[in-house]
Order: sequence, then structure tokens, then C-alpha cells
Amino acid sequence: DIQMTQSPSSLSASVGDRVTITCRASQSISTYLHWYQQKPGKAPKLLIYDTSTLQGWVPSRFSGSASGTDFTLTISSLQPEDFATYYCQQGYFTPWTFGQGTKLEIK
Amino acid sequence: EVQLVESGGGLVQPGGSLRLSCVVSGFTPSTNWMHWVRQVPGKGLVWVSRISSDGSVTTYADSVKGRFTISRDNAKSTLYLQMDNLRAEDTAVYYCATSSRSLLDFWGQGTVVTVSS
Repeated sequence: DIQMTQSPSSLSASVGDRVTITCRASQSISTYLHWYQQKPGKAPKLLIYDTSTLQGWVPSRFSGSASGTDFTLTISSLQPEDFATYYCQQGYFTPWTFGQGTKLEIK
Repeated sequence: EVQLVESGGGLVQPGGSLRLSCVVSGFTPSTNWMHWVRQVPGKGLVWVSRISSDGSVTTYADSVKGRFTISRDNAKSTLYLQMDNLRAEDTAVYYCATSSRSLLDFWGQGTVVTVSS
């Protein structure tokens, strides 16, 4: 199975900060890397797909990029509604696998 | 508006069975693959199973293979997960989701399964 190593597991930041979350795949997954946002007690929501394409509801302060098997989710200026847990997911090989999650908390 | 609503979760003893359902509305599910994903409270997401749009192809995580069966009834816009020989480690919130290509684009709200004596 493809291992998705996500870091950090938790992150404390302030409103207005720029934050970066990284996801590393154990082998090449092309651009089939997707990001989800999950708030407490809610289902995950698709945030970014195919490495860098934002879902329609996602504000432009979110972005995604890749370098080889390293994928990055960046939030340019944190807003209060962005505090949540973020997961990456590879869809290149079955079984689809997720990163361990990054819990973004308010400092 | 696309909606997925799961049901069928509950408390079951080890070795027991449960059947989860997921009713889809707001779009035609017969054109999409569908999936089950589970999450132990406070832990990460784990993909469990998927089924093709016509139900002819199914895939399972190794941890549930031989114990869980995914199926669908497109006439009823419903996805199922039959879970047999349940173990304590199957305790989780179970989400159904639709997929477009390699991603999960719509999710239900989840149903809780607790396996305990």
C-alpha cells in the first residue's frame, strides 16, 4: 500500500499567519493527491483536488503544490474558519490511503 | 443539493453483524463509484471499500476482506455495507462517499458502529 506521511500532526497558529502542511507519498502518485478539511463532529469536505485545483467553495488563500512525491497545502493568511483538521489522500493506487491528519489549532 | 444519509449503525457484540445503508439524493448515483470510509473517533480516515457505478466491481481493504460486503441498489439510490464477524477494531464512524475519478467529492454525515460486549 502507498504510505502517506503527513506533517506536522498538529500546528498552533494565529489568525493571519501563513501555514504549510506537507504530505509525502511513499512512491510516485502523479498528481492524484487530494486534500480534505474536517471540522469536529462533521464529515470531511473536499478542499483541493489533483494537487492544486480548489473546490468551488474554497477561498483563494488556500493553495496546493507538489515537488515529486512531496505535496504541500498552504494557507496564506489564516482565518478563524480555517481551524480544522486537514487530511491528504492519494487516489493513484488502490487501496486509497490518507495521511494521518494535521490538526490546526488557534494559538 | 447532493445529500448522502447513512443509517444502520449501533452497538453490536463481537462476532455479530450489522448492515449500513446510505441513501443518496440530489444527483444520479448510478453514474458514480461509491465508497465507505471509516474513522475511529479522534483518529484518521481509513478507506474501507468501493463499488463501481453498476455494482459489478468491488474492492476492499485487507482489514475487512472476507467479512464486509459492499453492494448497491441504483433503483433505490442506496449503497449498503454488510458487516459480518465484527471485531472491536471495527468500532468507528462509517462514512459513505461518492467519487469522481480518484477523489471523494461528497460525503454523508456518518453512522457510528460500536463493537463491544
